[in-house]
Amino acid sequence: QQPVQSPQAVILREGEDAVINCSSSKALYSVHWYRQKHGEAPIFLMILLKGGEQKGHDKISASFNEKKQQSSLYLTASQLSYSGTYFCGTGALSNSGYALNFGKGTSLLVTP
Amino acid sequence: NAGVTQTPKFRVLKTGQSMTLLCAQDMNHEYMYWYRQDPGMGLRLIHYSVGEGTTAKGEVPDGYNVSRLKKQNFLLGLESAAPSQTSVYFCASSYLASGTENSPLHFGNGTRLTVT
Repeated sequence: QQPVQSPQAVILREGEDAVINCSSSKALYSVHWYRQKHGEAPIFLMILLKGGEQKGHDKISASFNEKKQQSSLYLTASQLSYSGTYFCGTGALSNSGYALNFGKGTSLLVTP
Repeated sequence: NAGVTQTPKFRVLKTGQSMTLLCAQDMNHEYMYWYRQDPGMGLRLIHYSVGEGTTAKGEVPDGYNVSRLKKQNFLLGLESAAPSQTSVYFCASSYLASGTENSPLHFGNGTRLTVT
């Protein structure tokens, strides 16, 4: 039930762009994106609901293709503060439809 | 505003011992969740609750029990701890069902449990 994230890890230089993908084998109601710094709790970034919308938050945006059951997180002009592990969480039509199932995460390191 | 508070922050157990992890939220959220996080595995749902007095199983419920006697508290119990339960446990809450509504998860700071 876990969605699949790719890539597993990314190393960027400050100012470069990155894309993180999340795909599910199940029909989705929603996709959430969270970022976690080492030793801390995950922090909410954004939610996309079914309807194929795209959202933006500063230089971080995301899209949701409901038909393909996929979402992508776009980080543009990356900053050092973007470093961390990014998780997508999906709400699927399943026994745990009320709750999110998370991917294994994508580790992002932004270097000076 | 405390948000989601987990106690304890750290715990070491011996195999076979039992313990209860406490999660408390002060946001009047209806939904609460327990996840475990292991290296390379992401966050996996253990149990969740859609309201006071309700509980439901997630992906990895075996070896755990939960109770939601009060709306603000969600307890996770380990009846007989095993080394495979060594993990970081996160509690989270949301106002509406996180999977189907525009309702983000609010996480606690986690409990690091080691079972020897």
